[in-house]
Amino acid sequence: DAGVIQSPRHEVTEMGQEVTLRCKPISGHNSLFWYRQTMMRGLELLIYFNNNVPIDDSGMPEDRFSAKMPNASFSTLKIQPSEPRDSAVYFCASSFYPRDRGDGYTFGSGTRLTVV
Amino acid sequence: GENVEQHPSTLSVQEGDSAVIKCTYSDSASNYFPWYKQELGKGPQLIIDIRSNVGEKKDQRIAVTLNKTAKHFSLHITETQPEDSAVYFCAASGLNDMRFGAGTRLTVKP
Repeated sequence: DAGVIQSPRHEVTEMGQEVTLRCKPISGHNSLFWYRQTMMRGLELLIYFNNNVPIDDSGMPEDRFSAKMPNASFSTLKIQPSEPRDSAVYFCASSFYPRDRGDGYTFGSGTRLTVV
Repeated sequence: GENVEQHPSTLSVQEGDSAVIKCTYSDSASNYFPWYKQELGKGPQLIIDIRSNVGEKKDQRIAVTLNKTAKHFSLHITETQPEDSAVYFCAASGLNDMRFGAGTRLTVKP
């Protein structure tokens, strides 16, 4: 298995532009998570999907952030409009089990977003 | 919700020495405690985990211990090697959340 695949690896964009991050989870994994990593706040959960349905989006910072999972093999995280404070590394992770089972997640390599 | 504290934030050891990283958690309902290793430019990778019904687990040079009463758990790496250099994260998971510690940057000097 190729693992969790994220694209792009790096994204540099100007403030105000729309940014779309992409994730392909491991085949057969039913749970998908989007995390944001910064020096100040560490790893923060943004949103959790189970069987393609958003279960917990309480970590989404504000309305500028949205996430979709149209099918079991693809998810997007969109920021519109982007701001410099959105600069971070965004990770997608997947798991075979639902979150309350608490099994370890497989993380992608992340997308480093820089908003200038 | 859960709160996880991790210490130390940085740790430097000589190759061959042992390294210990400690975490505490706040939610007594947490029952699953994974550890992740993150190398530069990569995502966190699960290296070992433990559930609340177990006190200790070992995998070659890595071991994790859990004290449920005191709500703390630790990662032990023996015979450290330069390739162990990375950032290590602990996490605690309950019914509705997995929270991560702030991370420990481990440097193993050859």
